[in-house]
Amino acid sequence: KNQVEQSPQSLIILEGKNCTLQCNYTVSPFSNLRWYKQDTGRGPVSLTIMTFSENTKSNGRYTATLDADTKQSSLHITASQLSDSASYICVVSPGDSSYKLIFGSGTRLLVRP
Amino acid sequence: DAGVIQSPRHEVTEMGQEVTLRCKPISGHNSLFWYRQTMMRGLELLIYFNNNVPIDDSGMPEDRFSAKMPNASFSTLKIQPSEPRDSAVYFCASGWEGYNEQFFGPGTRLTVL
Repeated sequence: KNQVEQSPQSLIILEGKNCTLQCNYTVSPFSNLRWYKQDTGRGPVSLTIMTFSENTKSNGRYTATLDADTKQSSLHITASQLSDSASYICVVSPGDSSYKLIFGSGTRLLVRP
Repeated sequence: DAGVIQSPRHEVTEMGQEVTLRCKPISGHNSLFWYRQTMMRGLELLIYFNNNVPIDDSGMPEDRFSAKMPNASFSTLKIQPSEPRDSAVYFCASGWEGYNEQFFGPGTRLTVL
């Protein structure tokens, strides 16, 4: 069964600290993996999209990594800011369907001053 | 450039009433998606339109749910009659077929009493 699992479920860090969120997936075949940020009361916003041939992709202080062999991805946030408080959702696009996305349950991050 | 527009942002209704959610996709996009998000089940795809034609409605929970896309700039999701278990946040997203990116609207928070 195609699944995307994220850990931790929630995380609290101090402003300025770094953190890493994890994503494991069993989706096969695999087309691409995305990380979305969802602020409270808003829709998800794409941070990065990686195909199976990409190992890392950055978007400002956000860096995503992908290991297609072990089916693992991580999202690293550097020098966290209060505005990073949000849910981060790992999403995998199966290779046999360009539109059907498999969503993880998300990691809820709280950055405290 | 306006993003995906949804209305209303919040809807509170009583069980048995008809509810209509509206979506205006990003101009030029030819794919439109309706999602439902709950704490228990996360984000679920309800229906996918391509060039105004419903392609996949396998996620529509039951006959009480219907969706239309009369033209490229407007879509509706209707629930009739509504039930308390329909309470959720409903997102509309749009994108280009083949590009794999989906842009989410701000969502409609529906509460059915």
